[in-house]
Amino acid sequence: DTGVSQNPRHKITKRGQNVTFRCDPISEHNRLYWYRQTLGQGPEFLTYFQNEAQLEKSRLLSDRFSAERPKGSFSTLEIQRTEQGDSAMYLCASSLEGGSLAQETQYFGPGTRLLVL
Amino acid sequence: RKEVEQDPGPFNVPEGATVAFNCTYSNSASQSFFWYRQDCRKEPKLLMSVYSSGNEDGRFTAQLNRASQYISLLIRDSKLSDSATYLCVGIGGYQKVTFGTGTKLQVIP
Repeated sequence: DTGVSQNPRHKITKRGQNVTFRCDPISEHNRLYWYRQTLGQGPEFLTYFQNEAQLEKSRLLSDRFSAERPKGSFSTLEIQRTEQGDSAMYLCASSLEGGSLAQETQYFGPGTRLLVL
Repeated sequence: RKEVEQDPGPFNVPEGATVAFNCTYSNSASQSFFWYRQDCRKEPKLLMSVYSSGNEDGRFTAQLNRASQYISLLIRDSKLSDSATYLCVGIGGYQKVTFGTGTKLQVIP
């Protein structure tokens, strides 16, 4: 399977714990995005990497959230001191930098569903 | 006002009907637009890119109206399998990505 993969698919944690999610993009894609989606809403942009550089961060990304993409391939999203309001689906997407719409198309992974108790 | 707005629906239509969704955007700097389809508890999947001149893919037609700042999606001859949530997306400078809240479509036998 050469699509975007995410691990774990589901995570249940207690409030105050730290969690880390991983995203493996499509191998030739140099752009990687993280989103959060809650029920009845569209995905909300969190952050974006081009290669290993984190170029954009949403105001939604509080100090408890950090993302890395150290080698420009896989990425991790860590949430520290989780709160119940962090419960959501965390989606990762990747795309290829380029000037055409086809190249800008983002392909999504299956997501990690987080439940904070 | 949200940067990308969609009517959340639900749109309940009979099989074979034609249905149209609109999506308005407020950021005139948005450059690229897409329609994604999302099934319940699944990830969004690309349905169509939206070209400035409009484009068609089988039963689906997408239009972009920059003057009025909206994009549209037309689905002809609706199938039961078209039931899903349809998300419009705008991408602006510096890869600023904004999704709409989605429009839910239910095709009824």
